[in-house]
Amino acid sequence: DIQMTQSPSSVSASVGDRVTITCRASQGITSWLAWYQQKPGKAPKLLIYAASSLQSGVPSRFSGSGSGTDFTLTISSLQPEDFATYYCQQANSFPYTFGQGTKLEI
Amino acid sequence: EVQLVESGGGLVKPGGSLRLSCTASGFTFSSYSMNWVRQAPGKGLEWVSSISSSGSYIYYADSMKGRFTISRDNAKNSLFLQMNSLRAEDTAVYYCARRSTYYGDWFDPWGQGTLVTVSS
Repeated sequence: DIQMTQSPSSVSASVGDRVTITCRASQGITSWLAWYQQKPGKAPKLLIYAASSLQSGVPSRFSGSGSGTDFTLTISSLQPEDFATYYCQQANSFPYTFGQGTKLEI
Repeated sequence: EVQLVESGGGLVKPGGSLRLSCTASGFTFSSYSMNWVRQAPGKGLEWVSSISSSGSYIYYADSMKGRFTISRDNAKNSLFLQMNSLRAEDTAVYYCARRSTYYGDWFDPWGQGTLVTVSS
């Protein structure tokens, strides 16, 4: 199985800050990676797919990059509604696996 | 509007069974692969199972193989998860999620989830 490791597990930031979250795969997954945002009590929401493609309706302050084993999610200027937990997911092969999550806190 | 609504969750004793349903609307259900993903209380996301649009291809996480069965009824726009031999560690919110319209197995959208509690 492909293991997905996110870092950091949590990060404190302020409105307007630039934040970067990383996700590392235990083996190469080319660009078969997605990022999701989850707020408390809500279902996850797709933000980025294919490592760097922005899902329709997602603000342009979100961006993704990387390929192979190392990926990043960047939020260029944090807004109050961005405080949530973020997960990466590999879709290279079954079983699909998620990172453990990164909680973005004020 | 694309919508997924799960139902069937509840409290069940260890060793018991439960059948979850997910009713889809707002899109051509028979054209999309569907998935179940779960989240234990306070924990991260765990992929459970996937089924192709026709039902011909089915995949499970190792810990669910032999206990869980995914199925679908395209005529009724419905996805199911039959869960047998339930354990305490199966306690979680279970989400159904559609394969994204973009190429690749991205999950979008998701239902609101249904809580399964396994406890004596």
